[in-house]
Amino acid sequence: GAVVSQHPSWVICKSGTSVKIECRSLDFQATTMFWYRQFPKQSLMLMATSNEGSKATYEQGVEKDKFLINHASLTLSTLTVTSAHPEDSSFYICSARAGTSYEQYFGPGTRLTVT
Amino acid sequence: QQPVQSPQAVILREGEDAVINCSSSKALYSVHWYRQKHGEAPVFLMILLKGGEQKGHEKISASFNEKKQQSSLYLTASQLSYSGTYFCGTDSYSGAGSYQLTFGKGTKLSVIP
Repeated sequence: GAVVSQHPSWVICKSGTSVKIECRSLDFQATTMFWYRQFPKQSLMLMATSNEGSKATYEQGVEKDKFLINHASLTLSTLTVTSAHPEDSSFYICSARAGTSYEQYFGPGTRLTVT
Repeated sequence: QQPVQSPQAVILREGEDAVINCSSSKALYSVHWYRQKHGEAPVFLMILLKGGEQKGHEKISASFNEKKQQSSLYLTASQLSYSGTYFCGTDSYSGAGSYQLTFGKGTKLSVIP
């Protein structure tokens, strides 16, 4: 149980284009989903928290107009990187929590490379 | 605020033991431990919810000292498969009934034959 999937696993795009990453909880309802970014050899940095049906809460320094998050249902959240630039290249990982559960499960991550 | 992990890196021979520490300057509601292998997402190991709680699975266990705002992860008789980067995550209340995890910088563990 507690499986979170992400799609795509990796994506290469040109500078200036937009990329959408999907995060799905496969066997539970995720009331809260989190999006993290991880640069090589660094820790996971929380970008935003989203609750189903509500606007996402962004961490300080994360541009909400650049990283659009939609948590449309209890099993799906999407992160859209708009007008991507090479410095946006990173490993993006989503995680999900069910209801009042303390446990947080991570998706397999999406490696974004912007050329 | 990011919890502090120590050591930053450790190299073990198979069968040796290791301890990874995690401390916070803020009151902790819970401590989560994850292991991440290169190029993969973090894998949940365990969560400790109460001060004084200890948990374990096979040869990996952890303790949580709520008063000292610290947690330790114990790896006993290490195996090659234990290699990876270990992160502790501490919960903090972010409002409206939500909690969010803040991760330490990680401890890179390498187990060699």
